[in-house]
Amino acid sequence: GENVEQHPSTLSVQEGDSAVIKCTYSDSASNYFPWYKQELGKRPQLIIDIRSNVGEKKDQRIAVTLNKTAKHFSLHITETQPEDSAVYFCAASTPDSWGKLQFGAGTQVVVTP
Amino acid sequence: NAGVTQTPKFQVLKTGQSMTLQCAQDMNHNSMYWYRQDPGMGLRLIYYSASEGTTDKGEVPNGYNVSRLNKREFSLRLESAAPSQTSVYFCASSEADKIGGELFFGEGSRLTVL
Repeated sequence: GENVEQHPSTLSVQEGDSAVIKCTYSDSASNYFPWYKQELGKRPQLIIDIRSNVGEKKDQRIAVTLNKTAKHFSLHITETQPEDSAVYFCAASTPDSWGKLQFGAGTQVVVTP
Repeated sequence: NAGVTQTPKFQVLKTGQSMTLQCAQDMNHNSMYWYRQDPGMGLRLIYYSASEGTTDKGEVPNGYNVSRLNKREFSLRLESAAPSQTSVYFCASSEADKIGGELFFGEGSRLTVL
């Protein structure tokens, strides 16, 4: 089955700097790659997703890039703010998955003022 | 709309006791899921239901059973709880079909098995 690895496990950045989280996946058939943000004590929520027919997607300060050849995708957060502090999860799914996601282990991002 | 509602939010069990986690969604989604979250391991799928009347195993189904009661409700049962089942459990729903889509999560249920 699909295996998703996520790095780093923790990331500390100064407010205003950029943060990058990387994930690799094992199943070349995977075609859907979402990112979820989970604030402390809260539920995970989707922040951005990308499908395999595009290489990059942006939404304000966040962007996701996908390299299908290398089987990896990354989350980029620019101009980080204290409210970006959270755990971020990448995930992947294959066609015919009926929404089932294989999640990475998560990255704890801490933005220091 | 409440979205996805799960109960209870907290529960402490003794080894060998049984319990059921309840989940309901009001978004008319076809697919529903149960995940468990453990430190350093992300979210792991226990069971899912692609549509009313169907259920299937996920990555870590051992020790659990599920029931898709109707389109809105999807329950998770622990027949004989073990300390290894201490975790935070999330129910989720989605419109997703074959091509994937956003998961909407409940607030989570924190279960401790002594």
